[in-house]
Amino acid sequence: QVQLQESGPGLVKPSETLSLTCTVSGGSVSSDTYYWSWIRQPPGKGLEWIGYIHYSGSTAYSGNTDYNPSLKSRVTISVDTSRKQFSLHLSSVTAADTAVYYCARVQRMTGWCDPWGQGTLVTVSS
Amino acid sequence: DIQMTQSPSSLSASVGDRVTITCRASQTISSYLNWYQQKPGKAPKLLIYTASNLQSGVPSRFSGSGSGTDFTLTISTLQPEDFAYYYCQQTSTTPLTFGGGTRVEI
Repeated sequence: QVQLQESGPGLVKPSETLSLTCTVSGGSVSSDTYYWSWIRQPPGKGLEWIGYIHYSGSTAYSGNTDYNPSLKSRVTISVDTSRKQFSLHLSSVTAADTAVYYCARVQRMTGWCDPWGQGTLVTVSS
Repeated sequence: DIQMTQSPSSLSASVGDRVTITCRASQTISSYLNWYQQKPGKAPKLLIYTASNLQSGVPSRFSGSGSGTDFTLTISTLQPEDFAYYYCQQTSTTPLTFGGGTRVEI
């Protein structure tokens, strides 16, 4: 059974880069069937998709990413297959980036997200 | 972006009630619509995928229907553990977008 776990700093200063890692257990990040995604939820608000990465050692689309246009200029998602991890980097953060950040597995054909990590709260404050 | 509008934003119900939540997409999304349940302090949990398919392990009192732009999540007989937030999500095109959520409270 695949499980995901987020890790990273809980406090980031304004203008700096938010960096989080999601560790995948019970499965491989190299997959033809699944993408790996980041989703966030500001306190008391709804869910916002940040982006995802598709990594498969067997296809020409390996390493492809897709980002929410509202964040695209500041977001990078990458994969480390040796560590079974994927990462989120969000640059030039402001207080508006304060949120619980979730990682999730996305089914490639239908887009449903399951499972999710437990989430990690990142606060942007000086 | 495809906008997802859920209604109602909140509802009050009792154990045993039948509850219906609707989700409308700003353009047609075929059946690329998923439903999630979220409890306070927890990650969302997938309930229904591609509009009407019950995720493994989810009780059969949950059901989904619809296609195109209009979708419905129904809880046939509300149980105490069902009091939570519910979100729809379209996965027809990126950016993936979620509805604003529906709070189901006692």
